[in-house]
Amino acid sequence: DGGITQSPKYLFRKEGQNVTLSCEQNLNHDAMYWYRQDPGQGLRLIYYSQIVNDFQKGDIAEGYSVSREKKESFPLTVTSAQKNPTAFYLCASSPDRDRGYEQYFGPGTRLTVT
Amino acid sequence: DQQVKQNSPSLSVQEGRISILNCDYTNSMFDYFLWYKKYPAEGPTFLISISSIKDKNEDGRFTVFLNKSAKHLSLHIVPSQPGDSAVYFCAASARNAGGTSYGKLTFGQGTILTVHP
Repeated sequence: DGGITQSPKYLFRKEGQNVTLSCEQNLNHDAMYWYRQDPGQGLRLIYYSQIVNDFQKGDIAEGYSVSREKKESFPLTVTSAQKNPTAFYLCASSPDRDRGYEQYFGPGTRLTVT
Repeated sequence: DQQVKQNSPSLSVQEGRISILNCDYTNSMFDYFLWYKKYPAEGPTFLISISSIKDKNEDGRFTVFLNKSAKHLSLHIVPSQPGDSAVYFCAASARNAGGTSYGKLTFGQGTILTVHP
């Protein structure tokens, strides 16, 4: 069963705490992406990685950090510097870093920070 | 600066009729366009795509039309079914000068489609 898994589905944190969201894929895809979705808005790109040990900032990278030590894994850390961390976070992967077009999404993690 | 816009937040259609979802873009470097479907609390799923060298792509009940001069694309669903009720996102991608994709997608805000039985 190939796919993208994100855990947990729901996550609650207190303000000021860092939190790491997990994303794992067994599709053997080169490229991986993190997006956030807010009500009434589209998906906004946070970070992306086209190859292991390399990643680039997306449109809204401030307050977030990532690592790509393994092809299968692309964890996202939401730091205390992120001013509005409550959102629905989506991880995606793509079979070819150059195509990048057809991205396959995980089920998402809803993060609530109070 | 919203480079991809879906100006209709919602659309309501009767089962069996045609659903037309619209999307406008401003970046003339975009050369590949996609539609995704999303159910609540789930990740989007890829639906259909079109390259800028084409003006139409069809897959079963779904057809995407691209009008490059107007920087406009649309998704037609015929006939619409209640199971099509979801949020639909259009997305666009641009190639860099070397001819390979940046690998980045820019998404519109989404349109909520409701198909009534």
